[in-house]
Amino acid sequence: GESVGLHLPTLSVQEGDNSIINCAYSNSASDYFIWYKQESGKGPQFIIDIRSNMDKRQGQRVTVLLNKTVKHLSLQIAATQPGDSAVYFCAEIIQGAQKLVFGQGTRLTINP
Amino acid sequence: EPEVTQTPSHQVTQMGQEVILRCVPISNHLYFYWYRQILGQKVEFLVSFYNNEISEKSEIFDDQFSVERPDGSNFTLKIRSTKLEDSAMYFCASSEMMVLGETQYFGPGTRLLVL
Repeated sequence: GESVGLHLPTLSVQEGDNSIINCAYSNSASDYFIWYKQESGKGPQFIIDIRSNMDKRQGQRVTVLLNKTVKHLSLQIAATQPGDSAVYFCAEIIQGAQKLVFGQGTRLTINP
Repeated sequence: EPEVTQTPSHQVTQMGQEVILRCVPISNHLYFYWYRQILGQKVEFLVSFYNNEISEKSEIFDDQFSVERPDGSNFTLKIRSTKLEDSAMYFCASSEMMVLGETQYFGPGTRLLVL
């Protein structure tokens, strides 16, 4: 069935450190994965995406890794800043569908 | 930068009342979506809409829900007879196309509280 989940509900890191947020998915038919950031009181904001035919994609301070063998997705944020504090959701689109299927979310807290 | 807007930001209603949530998608976008997020839970898909028709809907989107594009800019979600469990944050999203890799941009949401 459709299932996108996150390993840890909360993550606390020191400012300047790197953070890694993990996500597991169960549907091998998923074609496309996205990481969204949600700040308090706001809607999900696109961070980075990756197609199923890739295993790594880099953006500005962010990297997404996809391991299809174990159905695992991760978001790496380099040199975390206070503004990175938010809830991070992974989401997937299953082949042939249009909807985003979101995971539970991980709250990232940056300590000064 | 263009963005999706939603009104109202907050809505409080009595159980059984009708509510209409409004969204203005990004102007050149053709595909529109509604999602909801119950407090503390994940974001859930409700419905997608294109060319004045529903293209996909979830089990949550029952007969109490309807969507409409009444004019060239607005996209609305109507809940005919609200229930307590409809209390949630409702997000509108839009995308330029509905192809793999096309980003869905989300609005700030409407917080609906049903009493």
